[in-house]
Amino acid sequence: GAVVSQHPSWVICKSGTSVKIECRSLDFQATTMFWYRQFPKQSLMLMATSNEGSKATYEQGVEKDKFLINHASLTLSTLTVTSAHPEDSSFYICSAAIAGDYNEQFFGPGTRLTVL
Amino acid sequence: LAKTTQPISMDSYEGQEVNITCSHNNIATNDYITWYQQFPSQGPRFIIQGYKTKVTNEVASLFIPADRKSSTLSLPRVSLSDTAVYYCLVAANRDDKIIFGKGTRLHILP
Repeated sequence: GAVVSQHPSWVICKSGTSVKIECRSLDFQATTMFWYRQFPKQSLMLMATSNEGSKATYEQGVEKDKFLINHASLTLSTLTVTSAHPEDSSFYICSAAIAGDYNEQFFGPGTRLTVL
Repeated sequence: LAKTTQPISMDSYEGQEVNITCSHNNIATNDYITWYQQFPSQGPRFIIQGYKTKVTNEVASLFIPADRKSSTLSLPRVSLSDTAVYYCLVAANRDDKIIFGKGTRLHILP
């Protein structure tokens, strides 16, 4: 099946620093990728929809200036958490869909962000 | 976007068949129903997808009644490794954003 990777798998940073998370579709092209955040024992919460070559669409309540999304190619989307604070500590997951007629979205393994 | 409702948690024993039902009363004509499995600290993993009637693959079956307002994921002969959270989702196509419900936390006991 199609594979989506994320890098890094985990990161620890100091408060006030910025962290970049990469999401790659390894064996397919994805015009659309999605970014989610998941807190412990909770469901995935959609943060934004990342479209290749255009600005991301953010969900209500998600600060676009804090969570910068770039989808520069059909296989790569990046999420940058700017000026991270402890409350940004969470599990960040991306997903991507194959450009075609299939309805399945493939999820990455997630990135655990801990802000000290 | 169609909202889904599932039981918050379920317990079962190894070797049993487990059925998890999901309600999606306002499902649209073009929506597909997809089930995902998630283990702790991992991304969700696709289990099965269907539009109507019954779909079966090597790991599960999906039953969808004619009105499509609900669906049932059936896991045959579960094992301890099936302990996970299961999400029922509805979306029209691959580029549709998916809104996750709370999912069902399935706990398999020995």
